[in-house]
Order: sequence, then C-alpha cells, then structure tokens
Amino acid sequence: DVKVTQSSRYLVKRTGEKVFLECVQDMDHENMFWYRQDPGLGLRLIYFSYDVKMKEKGDIPEGYSVSREKKERFSLILESASTNQTSMYLCASVPEPSGTSTDTQYFGPGTRLTVL
Amino acid sequence: QKEVEQDPGPLSVPEGAIVSLNCTYSNSAFQYFMWYRQYSRKGPELLMYTYSSGNKEDGRFTAQVDKSSKYISLFIRDSQPSDSATYLCAMSATIYYGGATNKLIFGTGTLLAVQP
Repeated sequence: DVKVTQSSRYLVKRTGEKVFLECVQDMDHENMFWYRQDPGLGLRLIYFSYDVKMKEKGDIPEGYSVSREKKERFSLILESASTNQTSMYLCASVPEPSGTSTDTQYFGPGTRLTVL
Repeated sequence: QKEVEQDPGPLSVPEGAIVSLNCTYSNSAFQYFMWYRQYSRKGPELLMYTYSSGNKEDGRFTAQVDKSSKYISLFIRDSQPSDSATYLCAMSATIYYGGATNKLIFGTGTLLAVQP
C-alpha cells in the first residue's frame, strides 16, 4: 500500500512565524502535490513537484514556497505565516503519468494549521 | 463560475437508503472523473473513477458520467452508517510544464450522514 505521511496532524503558530510542513511518500512516486482544504472552497492546489528540485505553481501559490531535495520528501514553507493561512493542508503523491486513470493521487492524513 | 460545482449538503439519510451525490462541471476537456471519500480528520481516499461517459459499478457504489450534460453522479445502495463521510468529486485535466501530469480539480464535497 502507498503510504503518504505528514509531519504533524495539528500545528499552532503565530503570525509572522516561518512554518515548515513536511510530506514523505514511500512509493518512489515522481509527482507530489500540496493542497489546502477550506470549507466551501474544496481542495485548492498550492504547488506541485514532478522531480527532485523541480516545482511548479498551482492555483494559489502566493505566500508559500516548496522544497524537494529528495524524491520521497516534499516540504511546504510558509515564509511568514498569516491568519488567512489557517487551513487543512494535504499532501498527495502520484506515479509518473501513464495516460491512464491510474494517475490517482494518494493523500496523506493532513495537517490542520492554525495561525494566531 | 467554478469549474466544478457540488452541493455541500449536509445530506442525512436513514440506513439502507439509496444515496445520490452529484457534480456538474464546465470544462469539456475533462476526461477522467473520480470520487473520493474523506472521513473526518483524514485525507481523501479514492473511491471510484471512470473514463469518459458511462457507468461503473463496484459493490454498493455506482459512478455515472454524462459528458453531454457535464454531469456526474455517485450512487450508494443500501447505505450504512460507515458510509458517513464527505464525498468529493474530482476531474482530471492534463497540465504541461515540460512534461505532463494530471491535475485534479475538486468539488467542494458533500457531507453525508447515514443514520442507524
């Protein structure tokens, strides 16, 4: 079974703090994604990475950056946390695109971040 | 207008009822259609996927896609209290960055409660 783990389930930070959210997958997947999930807005893509050191912006990258130094690990960084970044953050991984519906995304359990 | 529209519910049904969950979408380029189930405080997990128009059945679950109407449905027969969760529809669009991967566009999710 694919396993995607996230470093924290719950996190409370103060405005202005630098926040690191880590995601690790154990299936050698090339693609990894970071989403945030908010009531009424669903899942929105922040960033994704298709290879080590490679990244692409998603739909809402402002205020975030990412790092992928190793294939299995994808980090989301909030350089200066703000209250509007309070949310559930979900990481997902998916194997190399095969052009089939097996390009399904496997999600981690999520990190609920509160910024005070 | 959102690319994917989904009634947020909540939807409350008695045990044994047939449940119908629906999404509409606007982008005719979507080819893969998925349903994810998300239990409280967990990440989404893939429930079913279909390619193009048609039906797909898996046990008590049936996924239906009507591309001409841009409408997808998930039916749950003989619903159980363990089916209580948020159900997210998702649709796949290919994004190109030098390579290609499939980006998922999610609905906002429908909260389902099956009462014993």
